[in-house]
Amino acid sequence: EAGVTQFPSHSVIEKGQTVTLRCDPISGHDNLYWYRRVMGKEIKFLLHFVKESKQDESGMPNNRFLAERTGGTYSTLKVQPAELEDSGVYFCASSQNRPSANLEQFFGPGTRLTVL
Amino acid sequence: QQQVKQSPQSLIVQKGGISIINCAYENTAFDYFPWYQQFPGKGPALLIAIRPDVSEKKEGRFTISFNKSAKQFSLHIMDSQPGDSATYFCAALREDTGRRALTFGSGTRLQVQP
Repeated sequence: EAGVTQFPSHSVIEKGQTVTLRCDPISGHDNLYWYRRVMGKEIKFLLHFVKESKQDESGMPNNRFLAERTGGTYSTLKVQPAELEDSGVYFCASSQNRPSANLEQFFGPGTRLTVL
Repeated sequence: QQQVKQSPQSLIVQKGGISIINCAYENTAFDYFPWYQQFPGKGPALLIAIRPDVSEKKEGRFTISFNKSAKQFSLHIMDSQPGDSATYFCAALREDTGRRALTFGSGTRLQVQP
C-alpha cells in the first residue's frame, strides 16, 4: 500500500513569490492534515480536512496560506506571497475516519521550503 | 507558549544502553500521548502511544512511562541499537473534542554509537 506522498520534496523560492505544495493521502483516508516544522522547532498543526471540508483550520498562521482539497482526494497548500519566516518543512498526514483508527496519523516525507 | 516540552534536544548512547527521552505537558485535558520516530528523509512514524489511565506501556524494546500527577511521560529504549538512531517526537492530543490536531514536542535527535 502506498504511503502519503508529497510534492515537491524541496522548493526554493524568492520572497514574494507563490508556491503550491501537494499532498496525496493514503487511499481511503478521509482525514488529511497539514503540519509545519520551522527551524528545528516543534512540528505545528496547520489544518485538518475531513474529505473536502475544513474541519479545523485553527493553526493556519495568516491569510497568505490557502489549503484546498477539492473532491476529497489530494490536497494543495498555497503560500502567496511567501515570506522569509515561511521557510520550513511542511508535512502532510492522513488517517482513517473510524473511531480510534483516526488517532493514528500517517505522515508523508515532507516538503522542505526555503524562502530567500 | 509551548504546550509540550521535550528534553533533551540531542542524545548520544552507546549500543546496548538505555535511551531516555522526557516530555512534560501543560494541558490536563490531553488524553492520548503518542511517540513518533523520524528517520532522515522520511516523515514521522507512530512508534508507540499511551493513554493516561495506564502508567506504563511496553512494545518490544520501547516503553512509555506515564506520570499523570506530574504531567510527564517518557520514552525508554532498552538495548539501544544503531538502527534506532533517529529523531523522536512526543505528542499529545485531546480526543474528546473531536479535534485531531497533534501538539508536538520539539524533538530529540538520538544517536546510538556502535
